[in-house]
Amino acid sequence: SQELEQSPQSLIVQEGKNLTINCTSSKTLYGLYWYKQKYGEGLIFLMMLQKGGEEKSHEKITAKLDEKKQQSSLHITASQPSHAGIYLCGADFWGSGNKLVFGAGTILRVKS
Amino acid sequence: DAGITQSPRHKVTETGTPVTLRCHQTENHRYMYWYRQDPGHGLRLIHYSYGVKDTDKGEVSDGYSVSRSKTEDFLLTLESATSSQTSVYFCAIAVYGDTQYFGPGTRLTVL
Repeated sequence: SQELEQSPQSLIVQEGKNLTINCTSSKTLYGLYWYKQKYGEGLIFLMMLQKGGEEKSHEKITAKLDEKKQQSSLHITASQPSHAGIYLCGADFWGSGNKLVFGAGTILRVKS
Repeated sequence: DAGITQSPRHKVTETGTPVTLRCHQTENHRYMYWYRQDPGHGLRLIHYSYGVKDTDKGEVSDGYSVSRSKTEDFLLTLESATSSQTSVYFCAIAVYGDTQYFGPGTRLTVL
């Protein structure tokens, strides 16, 4: 969606390195969802952010939402092969959480 | 596991034939969604439902219809399949205002 831009489109990192994926909105977000997808499988929910400046972590993955609520970043510390997959951000622009607009996704490969 | 199944998981069909995909949930959630996923486009919403017999269109609804006669089942129908509808289709469920959880997907090829 042009309303939601993800960068980079793809990323190859050496195992153990840190990386960041960005999700930028053209409008203020009511909520921002991060999902991970392995090839050929469904999406797995990672985290949801709602408040400006909010930050959440799960294991080695940290997601942040900026104060203006228009940009979110997903940071992976000390990447592992298990982190490989497609990361998608989904935006709630309406405040209901019932309709999400997704970015095009970021393909992450981790080299051992 | 969010209790969502999709059937079939893979289907190959010919242009012009009707196709129905099924999404089944065991959680009794009110909201159900159909998305398609294509390279470079991420996920795009086709239709969604907010209750039995209550449905609404999404971003890419042309060529698709849906039905929900029971809480647990949400059907997506391609009345006359076209090659542009070759895609991976995902169903999702949600409680109002809450996180969407996705099924395993159906890979559809229209020849």
